Order: sequence, then C-alpha cells, then structure tokens
Amino acid sequence: EDQVTQSPEALRLQEGESSSLNCSYTVSGLRGLFWYRQDPGKGPEFLFTLYSAGEEKEKERLKATLTKKESFLHITAPKPEDSATYLCADRGGSNYKLTFGKGTLLTVNP
Amino acid sequence: DGGITQSPKYLFRKEGQNVTLSCEQNLNHDAMYWYRQDPGQGLRLIYYSQIVNDFQKGDIAEGYSVSREKKESFPLTVTSAQKNPTAFYLCASSIEAREAFFGQGTRLTVV
Repeated sequence: EDQVTQSPEALRLQEGESSSLNCSYTVSGLRGLFWYRQDPGKGPEFLFTLYSAGEEKEKERLKATLTKKESFLHITAPKPEDSATYLCADRGGSNYKLTFGKGTLLTVNP
Repeated sequence: DGGITQSPKYLFRKEGQNVTLSCEQNLNHDAMYWYRQDPGQGLRLIYYSQIVNDFQKGDIAEGYSVSREKKESFPLTVTSAQKNPTAFYLCASSIEAREAFFGQGTRLTVV
C-alpha cells in the first residue's frame, strides 16, 4: 500500500532561519510528487510538481527537490507569512489517485 | 475566473439525515476528487472520478455516495450510515494525472 510520510510534524523557525521539510513515499512507478500549502480553514494551494529524481523547482523562498524515495521542501530565509501547513502527495500506478501525507505545520516567528 | 466552487461553506446535519455537498468546476478538468480532512489525519480520499459516468472508491468510501453525470459537477452525499461525519470536506479536480486544484472546502458538523 502506498504510504506518504512527512517530517517533522511541526517546525518552529525564527524569521530568516532556513530549514527543510521532508516527504518520503513508497509508491512504485511514481507519476508525480506534489507539494501544497494550506492555510487554516482553506483548501490546499498547489505549489510544485516533480516527476523524476534530480528534478528541482523554485518559487520565491521555496525550493522542492526529488530523489528516488524522498522529496524535500527547502525554505530559505522564511518570513512570518510563510507560516502554514505544507502537504505533499504522490501519484503512482495506472489511476489518478493522490495519496497525501499528514503535513508539516510550519510557524515562522518575527 | 476559472476555479472550483464548493457549497455550502458550513453545513449542519442532524443525526440520521442525509446531506449533499456541492462541487462545481469550470476548468474543463476530466478528473474530480473528494477528500476528508480531520485534525492530525491529513487528507483521506473518499471517491474519485476520472471521467463522466464513472467513479471509484477511495480509502474511506463507506457511508458516502457520489455521482458524475456532468463533467463540471461531482456532488458528494453523506448518508446516515456514516457514523462520524463531522469533518472538513475538500473537492479537487485535475487534467488527467497532473496536479489537482482544490476548492475552499465545506465544514460539516453533526448537531
């Protein structure tokens, strides 16, 4: 059974303190690894899609990378407005099913 | 503006009642999904549909039903058989197996 595990569950940073979030997956035949940001009471907002090991995507202070069994979301010099829950999900096999991890709650203090 | 619209935003259900959550998209996406989110549980897949008139059960389909009569609509019915329906429900859509885009959710509470 496909499993997606995110760590840490919660991360508290000071403004400007860079760090990384981890997402490990077990699906074989990966057809996409997806990162989302979710604010309280809102639907997830799409950030990145990664398809193959070695691929990297960047957007402002965020950079996502992919290896054969893990993905990392690097946050450089975070600001308080980056505080949110970050979710990753994978898709594998022949159907469109997306499997999500439980998320990492990021808090950035000013 | 293109997007996914879920309604209502808040819904209250009495014990033993069926309720239907609406999800409409104007993105011309083929695939649509329903997820349930509980605190500390992440998103769990209820049902998904890859094409009109076809849908598959997800990981927690018991007590739920769906229909997909039109490409742009994928309503979810929470039946009285669902014993713990209080949760945040999210609808999403995608072009084939590409990234999924989400609506703003419906919060269902049993009273």
